Amino acid sequence: GESVGLHLPTLSVQEGDNSIINCAYSNSASDYFIWYKQESGKGPQFIIDIRSNMDKRQGQRVTVLLNKTVKHLSLQIAATQPGDSAVYFCAENIGTSYGKLTFGQGTILTVHP
Amino acid sequence: EAGVTQFPSHSVIEKGQTVTLRCDPISGHDNLYWYRRVMGKEIKFLLHFVKESKQDESGMPNNRFLAERTGGTYSTLKVQPAELEDSGVYFCASSHWTSGGGPHTDTQYFGPGTRLTVL
Repeated sequence: GESVGLHLPTLSVQEGDNSIINCAYSNSASDYFIWYKQESGKGPQFIIDIRSNMDKRQGQRVTVLLNKTVKHLSLQIAATQPGDSAVYFCAENIGTSYGKLTFGQGTILTVHP
Repeated sequence: EAGVTQFPSHSVIEKGQTVTLRCDPISGHDNLYWYRRVMGKEIKFLLHFVKESKQDESGMPNNRFLAERTGGTYSTLKVQPAELEDSGVYFCASSHWTSGGGPHTDTQYFGPGTRLTVL
């Protein structure tokens, strides 16, 4: 599978714990944010998104929080499972840039049984 | 529904050679994007097609890269001649135009990528 960069942040948790993955985004004009999950040998897979007029959005076992004041995005995974082990990327977009996504560096999540 | 497919999955070529990557988007998706991730770096945008037209090619690194989407279906990305720094994983993504918040909020579905190694 694809190897990751030497300097990616890592997060190790036990199965059943809650995980929080953080992301600092770069552009204060960004108005749409997405979390992607990438497993080894696969492309990024959409998890959840949020628009800038919201500060929280919930999905199945996942919650995204947006703090525009400090340009911070977080992904919370409840009851983390071994299958959640992957690299997680945040991405941002600006309305004037059509679909051009700007990705963060990624965080490696490892879930131990 | 079939997802985004890319071919080949791996390509190993020598510096100076030519390589062509192919992407088949999800059927009916007008938007097609190319991204790449070089080792240790973030995934970076290369360009965006709407149907057969280039909407944004601001991320293309130089004129050694040529992307086409004839007929608005599949797309090819040619690198000629390839250089060592072109090594990385090239991703294609597609999205369907919706009437919601604009094209920038349409979910992009990614293919598995093509790993390119230039020796």
